[in-house]
Amino acid sequence: AQSVTQPDIHITVSEGASLELRCNYSYGATPYLFWYVQSPGQGLQLLLKYFSGDTLVQGIKGFEAEFKRSQSSFNLRKPSVHWSDAAEYFCAVGALTGNQGGKLIFGQGTELSVKP
Amino acid sequence: DAMVIQNPRYQVTQFGKPVTLSCSQTLNHNVMYWYQQKSSQAPKLLFHYYDKDFNNEADTPDNFQSRRPNTSFCFLDIRSPGLGDAAMYLCATSEGTGASYNEQFFGPGTRLTVL
Repeated sequence: AQSVTQPDIHITVSEGASLELRCNYSYGATPYLFWYVQSPGQGLQLLLKYFSGDTLVQGIKGFEAEFKRSQSSFNLRKPSVHWSDAAEYFCAVGALTGNQGGKLIFGQGTELSVKP
Repeated sequence: DAMVIQNPRYQVTQFGKPVTLSCSQTLNHNVMYWYQQKSSQAPKLLFHYYDKDFNNEADTPDNFQSRRPNTSFCFLDIRSPGLGDAAMYLCATSEGTGASYNEQFFGPGTRLTVL
């Protein structure tokens, strides 16, 4: 079955420190992978996506993610965290639904807190 | 700018009183989705429209219905809201070519409160 696992429910990092958020997926075919960020009471903003090609993907706000097929992982990284990065982060896999478009399967999310 | 719009942003209803949430898009996408996101949980797909074809998720309660009168608009109807239906409802759109997965674009969401 298709699934996404984010092992860390909550992470706290100091401002300026590096960040890595973990994501593992289970999907039978070539995965379409996404990271979304959600601030409290807001909708989802796409940070980056992987469809094919270079396994290191650059996104907005200085984020990047690396697709590792052998580990079924798509971890999100940022070299230096800013206080404004505090939010909920969702990893998702896009699953085709026959010829009726596709759907997103989300992980449970990781809440990021940033210490001054 | 092309976008996905949800109205209202905040909706309060009473237990058992029908409520309708609205989504519109200027992207001219043929697929529209409705997700439910309860507090501290991941978004969960309720159903989606591929053009006029309605696709219901197997575990979506019958209490939830949807209408898509044209390409631009899609509505989520909750016939008899219960306290457990309080959530953020997210609308999304995508192109639907069928051959490959296409990115979904999300609206800002409607926060539903049930009293």
